[in-house]
Amino acid sequence: DAKTTQPPSMDCAEGRAANLPCNHSTISGNEYVYWYRQIHSQGPQYIIHGLKNNETNEMASLIITEDRKSSTLILPHATLRDTAVYYCIVRVATGANNLFFGTGTRLTVIP
Amino acid sequence: EPEVTQTPSHQVTQMGQEVILRCVPISNHLYFYWYRQILGQKVEFLVSFYNNEISEKSEIFDDQFSVERPDGSNFTLKIRSTKLEDSAMYFCASSGRVNYGYTFGSGTRLTVV
Repeated sequence: DAKTTQPPSMDCAEGRAANLPCNHSTISGNEYVYWYRQIHSQGPQYIIHGLKNNETNEMASLIITEDRKSSTLILPHATLRDTAVYYCIVRVATGANNLFFGTGTRLTVIP
Repeated sequence: EPEVTQTPSHQVTQMGQEVILRCVPISNHLYFYWYRQILGQKVEFLVSFYNNEISEKSEIFDDQFSVERPDGSNFTLKIRSTKLEDSAMYFCASSGRVNYGYTFGSGTRLTVV
């Protein structure tokens, strides 16, 4: 039940900003946008989430369009360690509401 | 930074044997989850657990699977009679209050032979 659409792969030069897009045109008013990443076979790692306002933390920035139908995760200065699969997930943030992972975007940071 | 700890990191078992995968979630978290990832495939939801009971489970989580929080710190996943197709990475996760992100463990690689 994929509710998001992401490009399967992207490349980014080391040191440049990586901009990962996500479409979620059927998002409901009470659904948040979450971003996770998975480096090789490690456990997924939480990056950031937001409802409608843009968000920034020490890892990344999240830009959500005004109509909330799409968003962009920005890694401001990509490093080789940012090479991973990035997942955009929409989720109602109440109780034990669960995360459902799609296929994500495989980001490769190139030296 | 608090971590979710999973043991063992790798387990090999014979088909038909029972296995127990163990997880120690972050101590003040309230919601607990198991996911699995078959090699090369998506991360799949198995089960969520809150207030000492299952909140939701997927179709994968059939009668062969069970979860338990026996002592207030550990969270276990039991597979009663393993099948070859149960070979996968199993990830435990926990989360705190509403709308917190999940913290995942580093996983247990289960190999059924």
